[in-house]
Amino acid sequence: GESVGLHLPTLSVQEGDNSIINCAYSNSASDYFIWYKQESGKGPQFIIDIRSNMDKRQGQRVTVLLNKTVKHLSLQIAATQPGDSAVYFCAENRPNTDKLIFGTGTRLQVFP
Amino acid sequence: NAGVMQNPRHLVRRRGQEARLRCSPMKGHSHVYWYRQLPEEGLKFMVYLQKENIIDESGMPKERFSAEFPKEGPSILRIQQVVRGDSAAYFCASSELPTGTGELFFGEGSRLTVL
Repeated sequence: GESVGLHLPTLSVQEGDNSIINCAYSNSASDYFIWYKQESGKGPQFIIDIRSNMDKRQGQRVTVLLNKTVKHLSLQIAATQPGDSAVYFCAENRPNTDKLIFGTGTRLQVFP
Repeated sequence: NAGVMQNPRHLVRRRGQEARLRCSPMKGHSHVYWYRQLPEEGLKFMVYLQKENIIDESGMPKERFSAEFPKEGPSILRIQQVVRGDSAAYFCASSELPTGTGELFFGEGSRLTVL
């Protein structure tokens, strides 16, 4: 079936290290992808997005990579901080629809 | 410019009662989306509305659930005759443009508990 899934449900990293969160999507027609961060008890917060005509996009401490060949999306967080601890979701938008399909999520835990 | 406002933040209902969740989109946003999230799971799309119109309700259960976005006032997600399985966090999101072209802003959610 159509889905957006994540490889790792929980990722633990040491403060200061880089984090990589992965996401696989199944619909090759998807043309827009977004990463969201959700802290406990709060709503999802936009981090970064990328369109299918790009393979890399950088923000402040975050980079999103898109590999359309294997339908894989990743979020890289540089110098991970305790405030980065949250659940991270990837979401895809498919052409001719106006809704985002979310993956299950990866919990990022940052320890000192 | 206030963000997406949802209320109530927490709602407790007994089985068979009705739940009404309200969402005021960001100023200038005419696209509203409702998502449901079960504990430790992702967000599941329910319905997409523009002012006075339901555009896509493919994620809405066929019975007991309804949504509206009137010309004036907030969007309302209504759940009739609630059951325990309706317990979840319900998130509203809004955008200025359809999601394929614009960023989606989420509210803090309404957490429904059915006893």
